[in-house]
Amino acid sequence: QKEVEQDPGPLSVPEGAIVSLNCTYSNSAFQYFMWYRQYSRKGPELLMYTYSSGNKEDGRFTAQVDKSSKYISLFIRDSQPSDSATYLCAMSSEYSSASKIIFGSGTRLSIRP
Amino acid sequence: GAVVSQHPSRVICKSGTSVKIECRSLDFQATTMFWYRQFPKKSLMLMATSNEGSKATYEQGVEKDKFLINHASLTLSTLTVTSAHPEDSSFYICSASPPAGGRETQYFGPGTRLLVL
Repeated sequence: QKEVEQDPGPLSVPEGAIVSLNCTYSNSAFQYFMWYRQYSRKGPELLMYTYSSGNKEDGRFTAQVDKSSKYISLFIRDSQPSDSATYLCAMSSEYSSASKIIFGSGTRLSIRP
Repeated sequence: GAVVSQHPSRVICKSGTSVKIECRSLDFQATTMFWYRQFPKKSLMLMATSNEGSKATYEQGVEKDKFLINHASLTLSTLTVTSAHPEDSSFYICSASPPAGGRETQYFGPGTRLLVL
């Protein structure tokens, strides 16, 4: 079993729709949860970062963490064509940026105009 | 946010040659740098962790003699793919972290696409 599972998609939705992206994980030691956005042939950029369980909102993006279920989600409201990218969930058990991050396989998202 | 660059962005080489990829932190000192490999439509797989001035720590299954990592300064790490073969063709991405940085301060480079013919 992989440490982090993520549906690779592709996921295609019309512009303006609400998008829900999800990951599950098996390692209960994970405390720090990230979502990265990666455009084609580019490096990942950090979109959302949360610690432990709970919700975090930033503009059109909301990240949710449910540690009891080992399940994390990213919601995108009022989706735009510019949101088309691959979204990678990532997790770590340590706060230090010098420690390892475990990535999901990424979900390819396409927003249709 | 902080900027991490990679050079070259793309390289094509013949089988058997060696290729060097540079990773630079442009506006901060990076005590730790990570090297990842990403196959098409796949996730980032950590290859190794390098700390300035010390030997890199390689992940299980990564050949240290094939993927040479040198983190000679606080702003530069290099990955050399020695005697490259077509199966080494991939997208190589580095990330860099400042000293005592928190979870959100690992910054990724734009990646280097390697094609071995």
